[in-house]
Amino acid sequence: EDQVTQSPEALRLQEGESSSLNCSYTVSGLRGLFWYRQDPGKGPEFLFTLYSAGEEKEKERLKATLTKKESFLHITAPKPEDSATYLCAVMTGTASKLTFGTGTRLQVTL
Amino acid sequence: EAGVAQSPRYKIIEKRQSVAFWCNPISGHATLYWYQQILGQGPKLLIQFQNNGVVDDSQLPKDRFSAERLKGVDSTLKIQPAKLEDSAVYLCASSLDLGGQFFGPGTRLTVL
Repeated sequence: EDQVTQSPEALRLQEGESSSLNCSYTVSGLRGLFWYRQDPGKGPEFLFTLYSAGEEKEKERLKATLTKKESFLHITAPKPEDSATYLCAVMTGTASKLTFGTGTRLQVTL
Repeated sequence: EAGVAQSPRYKIIEKRQSVAFWCNPISGHATLYWYQQILGQGPKLLIQFQNNGVVDDSQLPKDRFSAERLKGVDSTLKIQPAKLEDSAVYLCASSLDLGGQFFGPGTRLTVL
């Protein structure tokens, strides 16, 4: 069974304090790893897809990286508007099923 | 481009009652998904449609949950009868291909 573990569960940063969120996975046949951002009361918002180890993608203050066992979401100089829950998910199987982790709740304070 | 639409946004029902949720995916997206998200957890896939055919419903509690996607566009998810543990946010998502799935705002269901 596919397993996705995210750490830490919650993270509190001061504005400008860079950090990383971790997503470790145990799957058979990874087809892709996805990062989403979810604000309270809203559906997940797509951020990145990574397909192979060594791949990196960037968007504003966010950078996602992928190895054979885990992915990191690096947040550089975060701002309060980056506060949200960040979810990672793995895609496996011929039906492209997504299995999500439980998320990391990020709070960025002034 | 319009996003995924869902209604209602909120629903409160008594246990053993029935409820239905509606989803309209992004235009042109052939694949549609229904997820259940319990508070503090990640979304869990309930059912996946490719056009109007079911691709994966292995985690759908078929004794009480049903879903259909007529004409390969809109979809409805029904729960009958509801249980307390069905309280959750029900998310609909759609995708064009094997890239990112785009989610709607969800329907928050409270079962009393």
